[in-house]
Amino acid sequence: GAVVSQHPSRVICKSGTSVKIECRSLDFQATTMFWYRQFPKQSLMLMATSNEGSKATYEQGVEKDKFLINHASLTLSTLTVTSAHPEDSSFYICNLKPRGTDTQYFGPGTRLTVL
Amino acid sequence: GENVEQHPSTLSVQEGDSAVIKCTYSDSASNYFPWYKQELGKGPQLIIDIRSNVGEKKDQRIAVTLNKTAKHFSLHITETQPEDSAVYFCAASKGGGSYIPTFGRGTSLIVHP
Repeated sequence: GAVVSQHPSRVICKSGTSVKIECRSLDFQATTMFWYRQFPKQSLMLMATSNEGSKATYEQGVEKDKFLINHASLTLSTLTVTSAHPEDSSFYICNLKPRGTDTQYFGPGTRLTVL
Repeated sequence: GENVEQHPSTLSVQEGDSAVIKCTYSDSASNYFPWYKQELGKGPQLIIDIRSNVGEKKDQRIAVTLNKTAKHFSLHITETQPEDSAVYFCAASKGGGSYIPTFGRGTSLIVHP
């Protein structure tokens, strides 16, 4: 199957700082990229969707100025959590869809802890 | 929009038994149904998927069935092993383009040795 990497896998930061999470597809081009967050023992909550050549579309309730998403290329997407607060602590997971397929592949996730 | 219900939320079985997880969807236009397995601390991994033009698909100990009329699909795991313990998510999507999949709430499967 397709390989998706995410970096860093874990990050601990102080309240007020910004954190950037990178998501890369290693062996395919991703025309659509999704970012999810997941709280302990809960389901996947879609934050935003970005298509090739377009700005990200954010889900209702997700602040676009706080969660900056950049679909930098067909193999790289970044999520920047700006001015992080303890309530932003969560598991963030990217999800990529290769060109021409319905199949979507998740990254390994990033555990963010804001102190 | 699409609504996906997944049951049960928790499933506990003995090693060697079979496990069945069921999902229902509401949008008859959905035509792609993947299943993901998420181990603790990791991202979900695609384990099997099915499209609306087939009724069943198997891959070793895993199978998925789809009933388009009733709008439900199920994951079947036979001869369960402790390493099958994980959270399983079903999803429904219209497929193609940028359609966003709708996920079920997940089933925590525990396989007791």
